[in-house]
Amino acid sequence: GQQLNQSPQSMFIQEGEDVSMNCTSSSIFNTWLWYKQDPGEGPVLLIALYKAGELTSNGRLTAQFGITRKDSFLNISASIPSDVGIYFCAGRVYSGNTPLVFGKGTRLSVIA
Amino acid sequence: GAVVSQHPSRVICKSGTSVKIECRSLDFQATTMFWYRQFPKQSLMLMATSNEGSKATYEQGVEKDKFLINHASLTLSTLTVTSAHPEDSSFYICSARDILDTQYFGPGTRLTVL
Repeated sequence: GQQLNQSPQSMFIQEGEDVSMNCTSSSIFNTWLWYKQDPGEGPVLLIALYKAGELTSNGRLTAQFGITRKDSFLNISASIPSDVGIYFCAGRVYSGNTPLVFGKGTRLSVIA
Repeated sequence: GAVVSQHPSRVICKSGTSVKIECRSLDFQATTMFWYRQFPKQSLMLMATSNEGSKATYEQGVEKDKFLINHASLTLSTLTVTSAHPEDSSFYICSARDILDTQYFGPGTRLTVL
């Protein structure tokens, strides 16, 4: 089945540093989504991407839908302590009710 | 952004009892809703896909008689864990998809079966 490889698995960074994480897929996706999950909470949508090559920003976050439609990255600029959490990428192929495929997450720790 | 609510947020029950979890899309209609289960420090595991007015589609290994799903309207889906046992203790999260194909998640329900 479809698989997403998300990297890195975890990151420890200093406050103020920029962060980059990415996902690659074995197959083509039509939609890429990035979520953040805090402990004990459901994932919160950060950015949704619908077109190959699309580059979208949400505050300090920027994500891109890869041209090949098999990858996506998320950048966080000038990290702050509240950026701590687990970031998940997810992709979907338009086909009936096919569900999202999730990456395994990137656990981000920010050192003040 | 779109809001998905989930109730209850936390439930503790005795082994053998049934527990119902509600998922509502508050400001949009969702023809498709999803139920996930998440174990500590792991990604979300899809349990079933729920379509309004039809039977849910369960993932391999998920017992449909154990986890009853009802999608009665375009804004409400329920998951009932029947005859719960300690191994059913987990974090259950619902999700709803809007017409733009974007999925929004509820805040989750922490189930503890004693």
